[in-house]
Amino acid sequence: AQKITQTQPGMFVQEKEAVTLDCTYDTSDQSYGLFWYKQPSSGEMIFLIYQGSYDEQNATEGRYSLNFQKARKSANLVISASQLGDSAMYFCAMRVNSGGSNYKLTFGKGTLLTVNP
Amino acid sequence: DAGVTQSPTHLIKTRGQQVTLRCSPKSGHDTVSWYQQALGQGPQFIFQYYEEEERQRGNFPDRFSGHQFPNYSSELNVNALLLGDSALYLCASSPFGGAYEQYFGPGTRLTVT
Repeated sequence: AQKITQTQPGMFVQEKEAVTLDCTYDTSDQSYGLFWYKQPSSGEMIFLIYQGSYDEQNATEGRYSLNFQKARKSANLVISASQLGDSAMYFCAMRVNSGGSNYKLTFGKGTLLTVNP
Repeated sequence: DAGVTQSPTHLIKTRGQQVTLRCSPKSGHDTVSWYQQALGQGPQFIFQYYEEEERQRGNFPDRFSGHQFPNYSSELNVNALLLGDSALYLCASSPFGGAYEQYFGPGTRLTVT
């Protein structure tokens, strides 16, 4: 079974500063993918960044980067230069590549990020 | 290029009733997954449809059923509604075998009274 743990129910950051959102995962599979999604109050899940288990370099997408530490089973999201529009719920999710089917995402409970002006 | 669309946006039902939620996938996507997100929780996988068949199912009772149509759109049906079924229901689409992200719709908020 797969499990995602996000230990920070809420985080605060000042505008223009960087913030790290924590995520640890548990799986016995060797091939898996890790995702971060942003969910504004409107409800839609917005894809931010993806890291494959065999990727040697940390993923980056604009102001988002994923600090992937495989041995520690952590996949922290780093948001640089925070903006007021970054205020939202952030979810870490995992997919395992097994069973020949397309993927089921397992989500954590999320972290509510508030960016202060 | 239209993204994933869901209808209705909001729905209020009474305990014991049945409900149908609808989803149209992003253009070019043939796989649809459904998730239930209770208040304050992360989404939970319900099931996934590809080629009009249920391919994978999460830990949900048989009251939850679905369907996929030849145009890849999908329905989620919930029978004998319980108060605990109140949640945001999210639909996500992807190309089958796609390694990257699933594209999510805006969700349907179901309230059971």
